[in-house]
Amino acid sequence: ELKVEQNPLFLSMQEGKNYTIYCNYSTTSDRLYWYRQDPGKSLESLFVLLSNGAVKQEGRLMASLDTKARLSTLHITAAVHDLSATYFCAVDFGGNNRLAFGKGNQVVVIP
Amino acid sequence: EAGVTQSPTHLIKTRGQQATLRCSPISGHTSVYWYQQALGLGLQFLLWYDEGEERNRGNFPPRFSGRQFPNYSSELNVNALELEDSALYLCASSFYLTGGLTGELFFGEGSRLTVL
Repeated sequence: ELKVEQNPLFLSMQEGKNYTIYCNYSTTSDRLYWYRQDPGKSLESLFVLLSNGAVKQEGRLMASLDTKARLSTLHITAAVHDLSATYFCAVDFGGNNRLAFGKGNQVVVIP
Repeated sequence: EAGVTQSPTHLIKTRGQQATLRCSPISGHTSVYWYQQALGLGLQFLLWYDEGEERNRGNFPPRFSGRQFPNYSSELNVNALELEDSALYLCASSFYLTGGLTGELFFGEGSRLTVL
């Protein structure tokens, strides 16, 4: 069974501090996406990770992929309020974009 | 360059009615996907179309159906609406590469369906 687990499901962050959220998946993956979703909005693509050891950074966010451990992490550096959102990890198990999504990490950054 | 566009943004229907949602992919993309985000159920894959053909289908009843037109735009039809069909329906598109492989996925803004 294809499973994608994200944790923690809810995370309250203090501004200025660093945090990491995790995405574990159950079987070999061809591609892993990280998305951001604001309330009532669609999915904003953050990163696409394709291979073992892939690391991508954009602003205060950095994502990495360890295909051997079946683990991706999203690291937030010096959290700011604008990063408050729900972050979804989605795994493409067949290379055809039939994605399995995690339940999301709801992040609230408190001043 | 225009992204994935969806219409309508919001749609309100009553139980038993039919809903039709529309999607235009990014220019050059031939694959169109539909995903459902229902409260409490998370994001689930619904359908994948490419070159007018249904390529894959998620675990949804047959009253969820769709089609893809020659210009690669797509419709999602939901018949005999039930209350639990209330959800955000997201369309996405990508290139089709070869051998069942597709390029990076891009999502539209979604259509919110409310069933009363």
